[in-house]
Amino acid sequence: QSVLTQPPSVSAAPGQKVTISCSGSSSNIGNNYVSWYQQLPGTAPKLLIYDNNKRPSGIPDRFSGSKSGTSATLGITGLQTGDEADYYCGTWDSSLRAVVFGGGTKLTVL
Amino acid sequence: QVQLAESGGGLVQPGGSLRLSCVVSGFTLSDFYMTWVRQAPGKGLEWVSYISSSGSTIYYADSVKGRFTISRDNAKNSLYLQMNSLRVEDTAVYYCARDWANVGFDYWDQGTLVTVSS
Repeated sequence: QSVLTQPPSVSAAPGQKVTISCSGSSSNIGNNYVSWYQQLPGTAPKLLIYDNNKRPSGIPDRFSGSKSGTSATLGITGLQTGDEADYYCGTWDSSLRAVVFGGGTKLTVL
Repeated sequence: QVQLAESGGGLVQPGGSLRLSCVVSGFTLSDFYMTWVRQAPGKGLEWVSYISSSGSTIYYADSVKGRFTISRDNAKNSLYLQMNSLRVEDTAVYYCARDWANVGFDYWDQGTLVTVSS
């Protein structure tokens, strides 16, 4: 049972937009920065978003992040088949004194 | 360019020990916090341990506390994870990663498989 809650799966058509939610509490998302990762099959995770809404160099602006209260959202526009992957949110939990991840969301581009 | 190269994984019996090493290049290790994250087969990401840039602050997941020890040698550009009293449930791909900002981990190694089985 993950501390952060994500939907197990989402799907959308190529070219469309999708959002992935990440729900937590005041001890994690509510008072700490959120990051998002993309993991393609058989590869290491890749940082997409850090500090809630910042993109590392090289990450296209099709990927966006936002946070409101104890929830965060990853948005992906202009979906491509290459975006099919597992997506994870992560943050620090001040009560647990631990890094926590969501359970992951599998994105299918139909 | 930034690179992280991990070694030390393999097959070990329950109760055994392994030491993972992560050698970094392309950046100054002493400038960054580092972490270990694992992923059991077919499962999601699970954070294992986290160490500050100087090594003075360390955190562990409850699942490994008392059994695993994280350390670093900045002079050798190396991060370590000593794993003792290994259990079947520790079987996973283990990743070392760099903390770019506020537990946003920007560089990960390729991962090494640790299999605990009799």
